Parts: sequence; C-alpha cells; structure tokens
Amino acid sequence: DAGITQSPRHKVTETGTPVTLRCHQTENHRYMYWYRQDPGHGLRLIHYSYGVKDTDKGEVSDGYSVSRSKTEDFLLTLESATSSQTSVYFCAISDYRDRVYEQYFGPGTRLTVT
Amino acid sequence: AQSVTQPDIHITVSEGASLELRCNYSYGATPYLFWYVQSPGQGLQLLLKYFSGDTLVQGIKGFEAEFKRSQSSFNLRKPSVHWSDAAEYFCAVGALGGTASKLTFGTGTRLQVTL
Repeated sequence: DAGITQSPRHKVTETGTPVTLRCHQTENHRYMYWYRQDPGHGLRLIHYSYGVKDTDKGEVSDGYSVSRSKTEDFLLTLESATSSQTSVYFCAISDYRDRVYEQYFGPGTRLTVT
Repeated sequence: AQSVTQPDIHITVSEGASLELRCNYSYGATPYLFWYVQSPGQGLQLLLKYFSGDTLVQGIKGFEAEFKRSQSSFNLRKPSVHWSDAAEYFCAVGALGGTASKLTFGTGTRLQVTL
C-alpha cells in the first residue's frame, strides 16, 4: 500500500469555523490531489499540486484553499466551513508507472459541518 | 472535457455468478482508463488500468476489463463473484492536463453479493 496518511480521520465542526485537513505521504511522489466524495457524485477533484508551492484548481475548488510547503505534506483548508462542505475527503498521490499516471488514495477524512 | 458514465447505480449478483459492470467514457483523445474498488469506510484501491496495447486487461482479485473504442466503453468483468467482492466500484478516465494527470470519476456502482 502507498504510504499515505490523512489527519484527522473524523471531524465535526461548526458552520463558519476554519478547518484544515492534512495529507502526508512517504513515497516522495510529485503529484498530490484532494477529492471530495458525495453520494451520487462519485469523487470530484478540489485542488491538486504538481510540486512544492505549485498548486492548481480542480472542478469544485470554491471555498477551499491548499498549500504545499514540503513534498510530503498537502494541506486542504476550508476558510469558513459551510454545511455543503460536509463530505468525505480523500487525498491521493500519483506515480508514473508503465506509461500511465496511477493515483493511490489515502483512507479519507469524514468531515461534518453542523 | 472528459466524462464517465456508470449507468448502473446498484447491482446484485449471487455468489459464483459472473459479473459485468458498465462504464462509458467521453474523451477526445486516447484515454487512460481505470477501475477502482472501495470497501465500506475505506479508500479507493486500483483494480486495473488501460492506456494502450491489448484491449483486454487483467487486474487484481481476478478482475478484467475490455476497452472498446467503437463503443467508448471500458466494462469490468469477473467470471465468478465472491462474497468479499461486495463493494463500490468506480470507473475513471485520466488526462494529462498541464503538468499533472487528473482523473474524472463516474458516480459508482454498488455491488451486492447474495449467498
């Protein structure tokens, strides 16, 4: 299994509070991603990173920001959490193998915004 | 923009029966295609992938998938399902966009296995 950890694994927070989720990898992979998973929507890309301090938006980036100051850590921040951000958040890392970029996923963080 | 359709939200099969999960994609160039499996409360695990070459690809846990360009499909199959295969299955299409490879996922198919 790819060395990916996410913290916290579960969090309950109130509307309007800031929240930061952490993804940590031990694989030294260049690319890292944040997805959210909601019933009926599958996984949707929030932000991704292609190197230290290099990030870009995905399809559902509104209300989220990210930072990557070290290769191994990718942080997702909800500046002011809303109930619509209640979801399961997955981090992924990417490795180039057999001419294909494969993505490996962390265990997820279940976030509830009350 | 790429997209993936998994037309079956929920499928039930008996243990030992064969399985086929459908996936249709939309992408302008040659796609990267993936199948992932997610057990309850877990992350996603890569089952198999396709980029080029042989259109029938083998994966882990006895799964295989066939790429059919003319039908824009990448269906997942297993000859004999085991109760432990009960999970949610996601098809994804990948693209090299800019400086990273991004995946677009289907909405998933939940597989129930009856004994």
